[in-house]
Amino acid sequence: DAGVIQSPRHEVTEMGQEVTLRCKPISGHNSLFWYRQTMMRGLELLIYFNNNVPIDDSGMPEDRFSAKMPNASFSTLKIQPSEPRDSAVYFCASSFKQGGVNTEAFFGQGTRLTVV
Amino acid sequence: AQKVTQAQTEISVVEKEDVTLDCVYETRDTTYYLFWYKQPPSGELVFLIRRNSFDEQNEISGRYSWNFQKSTSSFNFTITASQVVDSAVYFCALSEARNNDMRFGAGTRLTVKP
Repeated sequence: DAGVIQSPRHEVTEMGQEVTLRCKPISGHNSLFWYRQTMMRGLELLIYFNNNVPIDDSGMPEDRFSAKMPNASFSTLKIQPSEPRDSAVYFCASSFKQGGVNTEAFFGQGTRLTVV
Repeated sequence: AQKVTQAQTEISVVEKEDVTLDCVYETRDTTYYLFWYKQPPSGELVFLIRRNSFDEQNEISGRYSWNFQKSTSSFNFTITASQVVDSAVYFCALSEARNNDMRFGAGTRLTVKP
């Protein structure tokens, strides 16, 4: 398996523009996580899905952020409109959860977003 | 909600020294999972170990060892005979069995000098 695949790896956009980050989880995994990493706030959990259903989006900073998982092999994180303070590295991760057992999550390479 | 504290922000050692990275956690669940991840300068997050709350047995993998103590809510990570390649940010994380949201500590930046 190729692991968790994120695209793009780097994104530079102007303030006010819409940004869409993409993630393909590891095949067979049923949990997917979106994290944001900044120097100030560390690794923050934004939202996670189990079996394509959003379970907890309390980490999503504002209504400008939205995430979808239309099927088991694809998820998007959208920021509209983007602001300079959204600049960060965004990680997607996937894992397998069954019967109360939480396995380790494997991370994608991340998307470095710069909003100017 | 669960909480993970890594009080050591930065540690600097000289090659071949032993170093212990501390992790203290809080949870109200009786069943939970603890993790350590490594983030080298290249930026990817690399899984190192997973421990469930019912298994307090310490684990050793080469130069790495982990000490899990429920009595003190700690899950510490020791690197024996450190090497320059161990330089990275190390994260401790916790997820509770009743959900699956893995929360990370702030991380400890380890620098190993030659």
